[in-house]
Amino acid sequence: DGGITQSPKYLFRKEGQNVTLSCEQNLNHDAMYWYRQDPGQGLRLIYYSQIVNDFQKGDIAEGYSVSREKKESFPLTVTSAQKNPTAFYLCASSIDRRNEQFFGPGTRLTVL
Amino acid sequence: AQKITQTQPGMFVQEKEAVTLDCTYDTSDQSYGLFWYKQPSSGEMIFLIYQGSYDEQNATEGRYSLNFQKARKSANLVISASQLGDSAMYFCAMRDRFNNNDMRFGAGTRLTVKP
Repeated sequence: DGGITQSPKYLFRKEGQNVTLSCEQNLNHDAMYWYRQDPGQGLRLIYYSQIVNDFQKGDIAEGYSVSREKKESFPLTVTSAQKNPTAFYLCASSIDRRNEQFFGPGTRLTVL
Repeated sequence: AQKITQTQPGMFVQEKEAVTLDCTYDTSDQSYGLFWYKQPSSGEMIFLIYQGSYDEQNATEGRYSLNFQKARKSANLVISASQLGDSAMYFCAMRDRFNNNDMRFGAGTRLTVKP
């Protein structure tokens, strides 16, 4: 089955620790994205990547970092510089930047 | 700046009836795309329907249709014959070239289908 996987579903970390969220897709999509969703709100773009070894900041990139070493994978690191990291994180992919995006199941990060 | 507005924080509909979820947008681009997503309580975002700005016909996908009124800059989602499983958050989104094709999301509408 083709799709997008994110792991883990729930993640707990202590304040000040870096944490990496996994995102893998087997849809052969070129573009991948990371969004953040806070309670009762829409999605905000953190980073996106159009091709391997290339990525661009979105609206709220501060305190986050990404890599795109393989077409299938786009991990997101939430660093200690992110002031309020507790949120729901969604990864998505699309054929290219103009087409509809398909989303993974999300990771709920809680920083204690 | 690009803006997506969903004015209905919550909506209720009786099972088997139709419901319209409102979405208005603001862009100066002539070429743009409009999307609707469904987010159940489990959290994943499910793509429902797409409308291109140059599409002459309103998009339809099964029980979903998009009432696209370009001059009014509105892209309302119509769900026909509502089912209990339609209860979820619904998000309208748009991408345009002025915003580097980034997809911008509205704040969402929570739909509750009553039996």
